[in-house]
Amino acid sequence: DAGVTQSPTHLIKTRGQQVTLRCSPKSGHDTVSWYQQALGQGPQFIFQYYEEEERQRGNFPDRFSGHQFPNYSSELNVNALLLGDSALYLCASSSGTLETQYFGPGTRLLVL
Amino acid sequence: QKEVEQDPGPLSVPEGAIVSLNCTYSNSAFQYFMWYRQYSRKGPELLMYTYSSGNKEDGRFTAQVDKSSKYISLFIRDSQPSDSATYLCAMSARQPSKIIFGSGTRLSIRP
Repeated sequence: DAGVTQSPTHLIKTRGQQVTLRCSPKSGHDTVSWYQQALGQGPQFIFQYYEEEERQRGNFPDRFSGHQFPNYSSELNVNALLLGDSALYLCASSSGTLETQYFGPGTRLLVL
Repeated sequence: QKEVEQDPGPLSVPEGAIVSLNCTYSNSAFQYFMWYRQYSRKGPELLMYTYSSGNKEDGRFTAQVDKSSKYISLFIRDSQPSDSATYLCAMSARQPSKIIFGSGTRLSIRP
C-alpha cells in the first residue's frame, strides 16, 4: 500500500498565477481533506471532500477550490496566487473517522 | 486568541529523559484529541488518539486529557534521539470534522 501520495513534491510559481495540486488517497479511504501549513505553524484546514462533494470548509477565500473524482483522488486549485500562499500543502485521507486519517508528504509551494 | 495554544519550543532534553508536551484550548466543543509527530520534510503522523477525558498509554507514550481545565498533555518516557521531531497537538469537535492544530513544539533529544 503506497499510502497517501501527492504531486508534485515542489512547485515554484509567480504572483497571479494559478496552481493545481493532486492527491491520491490511501487504499480503502473515501474522504480527503486539504491543509495549508506555513513555516513554523501547524496545519490549517482548507476543506474536506466526500462522495465528490465539499463537505466542510475552513476560513480560506474562494481562490481556493477543489475537486474529488469518482476514484476518490482529489485536486486543490489556487487562483491568483499571493506571496502569502507559499506553504506546504498537505492532503489527508480517511475512511470516515479521525483515527484513520493519514497525511501525505505534502507539496511545497513557493510563490515569487 | 487562538483556539489551540502550544508552546513552540524548541525543547532540548538528554536521551532517556521524560518529555512533557502540553496544549491548552478554548473551545469546549472539542471531544477528540490527537497528537501528531512530524519529521522534517514529512507529513504529520498520528501518534495518539483520545476521545473525551482520561489517559491513554501506548508503549513509551502517554496522552492525558483534562476537559475541565481544557488542557492536554503528551508524555514520552525513555526518550530516544529518533523522537526528535515537531509534535503537534490537534483537536476536533466531531467525526470526521476538521482538525484544529496547535503550532507545534520542536523537540530535540541529545544523545
